[in-house]
Amino acid sequence: DAKTTQPPSMDCAEGRAANLPCNHSTISGNEYVYWYRQIHSQGPQYIIHGLKNNETNEMASLIITEDRKSSTLILPHATLRDTAVYYCIVRANSNYQLIWGAGTKLIIKP
Amino acid sequence: DAGVIQSPRHEVTEMGQEVTLRCKPISGHNSLFWYRQTMMRGLELLIYFNNNVPIDDSGMPEDRFSAKMPNASFSTLKIQPSEPRDSAVYFCASSSGQPNSPLHFGNGTRLTVT
Repeated sequence: DAKTTQPPSMDCAEGRAANLPCNHSTISGNEYVYWYRQIHSQGPQYIIHGLKNNETNEMASLIITEDRKSSTLILPHATLRDTAVYYCIVRANSNYQLIWGAGTKLIIKP
Repeated sequence: DAGVIQSPRHEVTEMGQEVTLRCKPISGHNSLFWYRQTMMRGLELLIYFNNNVPIDDSGMPEDRFSAKMPNASFSTLKIQPSEPRDSAVYFCASSSGQPNSPLHFGNGTRLTVT
């Protein structure tokens, strides 16, 4: 599976949109982009995934560039409870393996 | 939906003792995963079951580790004998097994071996 690159940490003001970038320049045509987050002392939580079209659900939006080499996770109105480590993972449809990097530690400030 | 349920939440034991971690996956999910998380190595896949059958156990550190899934609603991860370097948070996750289905994680068992 392709490797991803994320900034180690980011800050965002409460109530503002949090935009978390991810680079996956070696992504293959059959690989999806997944986002998970891990709040302190909890298990990782699935957020969203996509192949090439932008996706939105009740938690977040996922914007994937046209060349699919990068993506952005958007939390539209960040709250203090969104403070967590956010993981961007690329995964082939047929592959059960998730390769976890270090993620981005997002801190939401009041 | 209760989600993936793991027990115990915390386990403290002495070196050499046997440790058993338990997991109840989400009902209807046919794929189950055991992960280990440490500060040094992050999240590592230990073993993957599909339809109660171990498919990939290449991540199991050594023979001291064993995992079973006797039925679709229960799995155990056993360490015997335990060592201090086994101290970590152990997560169980399940998925429906459908293409692109996400993993749903439990809240983990924090194991401390003294």
